[in-house]
Amino acid sequence: DAGITQSPRHKVTETGTPVTLRCHQTENHRYMYWYRQDPGHGLRLIHYSYGVKDTDKGEVSDGYSVSRSKTEDFLLTLESATSSQTSVYFCAIRGHLAPGREVRYEQYFGPGTRLTVT
Amino acid sequence: QKEVEQNSGPLSVPEGAIASLNCTYSDRVSQSFFWYRQYSGKSPELIMSIYSNGDKEDGRFTAQLNKASQYVSLLIRDSQPSDSATYLCAVNKGNSGGYQKVTFGTGTKLQVIP
Repeated sequence: DAGITQSPRHKVTETGTPVTLRCHQTENHRYMYWYRQDPGHGLRLIHYSYGVKDTDKGEVSDGYSVSRSKTEDFLLTLESATSSQTSVYFCAIRGHLAPGREVRYEQYFGPGTRLTVT
Repeated sequence: QKEVEQNSGPLSVPEGAIASLNCTYSDRVSQSFFWYRQYSGKSPELIMSIYSNGDKEDGRFTAQLNKASQYVSLLIRDSQPSDSATYLCAVNKGNSGGYQKVTFGTGTKLQVIP
């Protein structure tokens, strides 16, 4: 258990409304990620963060923004939700370096948020 | 060509048999490889990571990596009904503008028949 929570777990919203999803971690991980998962597309990276106030775009970032004001929280905002953003959203963290070991790149996922835009 | 390719399945195996899940990737500079298990309606769970050519065993799971053939596989011995899930292959392509990009396949659905 990587100590990751996501909120809300389920949300239904209307087209054009803003939506913010929250990812919270308790183990001081530097790297955090937002993915969406859709049938036939697998997991696709939306945005990622490599530290407080340090974020960058992934492969499907259009229509999304992120913020990270504290190490433990990574927020994903849909400024004006569209039906194409109906999806399951997962937050992930990258595991810590093992002391004296090679760099590790394993990612661990939160429980997900199911978002429906009507 | 997809960066990471998996047969979507379903792959059906009888209980107690060996399940063999396969994954190919397109980028030769890929450095590390992961297998995730995802139950329906749940988040992906990391079950194996492999960094070097050859086999890596962990309990009933064995990951096999062949970088020359750009091929990674997961073997599940003594398959149990509880192993029925979708298995995602993920590949770390290494540095991409400072970011260690991980690309996921779309998954293979495994069904273990009692």
